[in-house]
Amino acid sequence: KAGVTQTPRYLIKTRGQQVTLSCSPISGHRSVSWYQQTPGQGLQFLFEYFSETQRNKGNFPGRFSGRQFSNSRSEMNVSTLELGDSALYLCASRKERYEQYFGPGTRLTVT
Amino acid sequence: LAKTTQPISMDSYEGQEVNITCSHNNIATNDYITWYQQFPSQGPRFIIQGYKTKVTNEVASLFIPADRKSSTLSLPRVSLSDTAVYYCLVGGPLEVFGPGTRLSVLP
Repeated sequence: KAGVTQTPRYLIKTRGQQVTLSCSPISGHRSVSWYQQTPGQGLQFLFEYFSETQRNKGNFPGRFSGRQFSNSRSEMNVSTLELGDSALYLCASRKERYEQYFGPGTRLTVT
Repeated sequence: LAKTTQPISMDSYEGQEVNITCSHNNIATNDYITWYQQFPSQGPRFIIQGYKTKVTNEVASLFIPADRKSSTLSLPRVSLSDTAVYYCLVGGPLEVFGPGTRLSVLP
């Protein structure tokens, strides 16, 4: 069974630009969550999507947005990038209860 | 949301059993306890999940006392490759990931 995949794996952007990250969940998983991980703040929850609807949202500015498609694939968008947005962005999917399966992450560097 | 407390770091030697304890005094009746392992620059990996008493799988055991206010992850006979950060979460996936426990396995 294929795991969670994320593309791209690495990305370099300039301040002010926008970026879109993609996540394909494990087949059959309808919930997709996004996290930001930085050395200083640790793992922080961004949002969760379930059946194309945002079900929960963390404490991030509106520049961070996401969506989920009918096949459960999800995208995350960050507009007007700031230096502080440099981080490892992780996507996780789950089928039931609370165990999540994480992808390898996208390493975003903002210069 | 139940908050968890774990040791920031632990050292062990290869071949030893490692026990990492997590405190969660405010755990709710329907909360599960889940542990993840994370290596540098990788996503966390699900290790084990439990609700009460003891759960065992091929990589670890999870011990939960009757009051469920704490839990202990037990890693039998650790190896160098078990060096990682271990996170304890209580409740659903929206529970905040704390700083975790940085386990260093020494030769």
